[in-house]
Amino acid sequence: EAGVAQSPRYKIIEKRQSVAFWCNPISGHATLYWYQQILGQGPKLLIQFQNNGVVDDSQLPKDRFSAERLKGVDSTLKIQPAKLEDSAVYLCASSLNLAKNIQYFGAGTRLSVL
Amino acid sequence: EDQVTQSPEALRLQEGESSSLNCSYTVSGLRGLFWYRQDPGKGPEFLFTLYSAGEEKEKERLKATLTKKESFLHITAPKPEDSATYLCAAINTGGFKTIFGAGTRLFVKA
Repeated sequence: EAGVAQSPRYKIIEKRQSVAFWCNPISGHATLYWYQQILGQGPKLLIQFQNNGVVDDSQLPKDRFSAERLKGVDSTLKIQPAKLEDSAVYLCASSLNLAKNIQYFGAGTRLSVL
Repeated sequence: EDQVTQSPEALRLQEGESSSLNCSYTVSGLRGLFWYRQDPGKGPEFLFTLYSAGEEKEKERLKATLTKKESFLHITAPKPEDSATYLCAAINTGGFKTIFGAGTRLFVKA
């Protein structure tokens, strides 16, 4: 069974530039999560989708971050414009559904904002 | 406010030296308590899920337990390959929101 795919693995940008991350969840998984993990900290939930609807985005900085999950499968997370404090690993995870919520994670995208 | 706190931040053990990691949680109704392992440069990997106080789960050298306020991850006779960051996460019943702790970095020396 293929795991959660993320790309790119690494990205370096300058502040005020924009960046996008892509995630392909495990086939058949209805719930998709985006997390931000700053070095030395645990993952922080940014947004959670059930199919193509948003379940929780209370910790998403909506003035600069946006996410979508068209057709309830792949998802993209965008940052525009980026700030220095956005430097982190962005993790995507998926689970079968909200009730069966064992999450399977991708390897993440490491973002460096200079 | 929902919160998950893990201790210690880091733990150094000799091979074979058993110990426990702690996860204290405060959530508005616990749907589930999860333990994950994270190796450097990788995403977290699921270990256990616990749903009610008194529940226990085991896998090889690891055993997870749950009370009404905290969970413990017991490591029996650890090996160097057990070195990793262990993350605890709680999901609340209200909004299905996942809250992770900061993790415990475990180092096991041969």
